[in-house]
Amino acid sequence: EAQVTQNPRYLITVTGKKLTVTCSQNMNHEYMSWYRQDPGLGLRQIYYSMNVEVTDKGDVPEGYKVSRKEKRNFPLILESPSPNQTSLYFCASSPGQLANTGELFFGEGSRLTVL
Amino acid sequence: ILNVEQSPQSLHVQEGDSTNFTCSFPSSNFYALHWYRWETAKSPEALFVMTLNGDEKKKGRISATLNTKEGYSYLYIKGSQPEDSATYLCAYSNNNDMRFGAGTRLTVKP
Repeated sequence: EAQVTQNPRYLITVTGKKLTVTCSQNMNHEYMSWYRQDPGLGLRQIYYSMNVEVTDKGDVPEGYKVSRKEKRNFPLILESPSPNQTSLYFCASSPGQLANTGELFFGEGSRLTVL
Repeated sequence: ILNVEQSPQSLHVQEGDSTNFTCSFPSSNFYALHWYRWETAKSPEALFVMTLNGDEKKKGRISATLNTKEGYSYLYIKGSQPEDSATYLCAYSNNNDMRFGAGTRLTVKP
């Protein structure tokens, strides 16, 4: 089954404790992206990647890191989480350029709480 | 910063009512406009992507139109059903990223 898989789905952690949210897609998509969703703000892009070893900042990259060493994986790293990073996180992938018919395929979301 | 605005923020209708909501976006440097449907506790799923001024797309009872010159898109739902209850997101994209609006939350009462 074609899918985008995120782990963990739910996590409660404390300020400063490094964590990684994994994202994997099995559709051989080139484009991958991370979003955070906060009430009233819609989905805001954190980082995106057009291909292996190519990553770029989105609108809200502060406090996050990513890597794209393999086509299928795009982990989101919070080196020192803070309470303002409490949010619902979505990973998404797309087969091609978003300007064409490249719709996004979303993972199921990871709800992160930082105390 | 490109702003994508959606209205209304929320909408409550009775089963059988037809409804529509709006997405406005910057008309300059337009590439594509996407609509997504997001049910509670699930992932957003793509409904339509439109690229040309005047585009109209339809999927069952849901349709969408696009006006790139004035920077707006409408989503229409004919004969709303309770299963249409969801948040409807529109997004404006260029080659590299996709900017989402905050969504319109639709509740259809039986």
